[in-house]
Amino acid sequence: AQKVTQAQTEISVVEKEDVTLDCVYETRDTTYYLFWYKQPPSGELVFLIRRNSFDEQNEISGRYSWNFQKSTSSFNFTITASQVVDSAVYFCALSEAVGGATNKLIFGTGTLLAVQP
Amino acid sequence: EPEVTQTPSHQVTQMGQEVILRCVPISNHLYFYWYRQILGQKVEFLVSFYNNEISEKSEIFDDQFSVERPDGSNFTLKIRSTKLEDSAMYFCASGDGRELFFGEGSRLTVL
Repeated sequence: AQKVTQAQTEISVVEKEDVTLDCVYETRDTTYYLFWYKQPPSGELVFLIRRNSFDEQNEISGRYSWNFQKSTSSFNFTITASQVVDSAVYFCALSEAVGGATNKLIFGTGTLLAVQP
Repeated sequence: EPEVTQTPSHQVTQMGQEVILRCVPISNHLYFYWYRQILGQKVEFLVSFYNNEISEKSEIFDDQFSVERPDGSNFTLKIRSTKLEDSAMYFCASGDGRELFFGEGSRLTVL
């Protein structure tokens, strides 16, 4: 069965600090996709990244970076120089690949990030 | 930029009433989903829909729930007889096989 664990329920940092959100997943599939979504206080789910299980290269997008380690089944998300606008719940999610396509997402329980000014 | 739209944004209903939540997916997408998020909890998969039929459903998606794509553009979730525990945010998503794009959600409050 597929499972996503986000052990950090809440994290509080002060603006400009770096913060890493942990994500550990379980799956028996050899091909799968990993995602991160942001849910700001307004409630919508904002797509951040999709990673293919065969691509272990780290990715950087502005202040965001992701570290995918297949050996430890982890897909951690780091925000550099955090800002108040980064305050949100962040969800990690896993999808099996069906015919190479993204299937339903299994979400972790989310990490609430509070960035204090 | 194309987006998934959901209506209503908030619905309040009495227990036992029928509710229909509507979604307009992104036009060239082929995969459609409903998810549910009870307040303060994680986002849970309800059902996926592909090629005009349900492709997968979760244990949550019991006989009270149904989905339809009545006119090739709208994608609806019907709850036949609402219960208090159906109170949640319901997200519609559509996908192109790579990414899933979520709507802003419909908040359902059952009294």
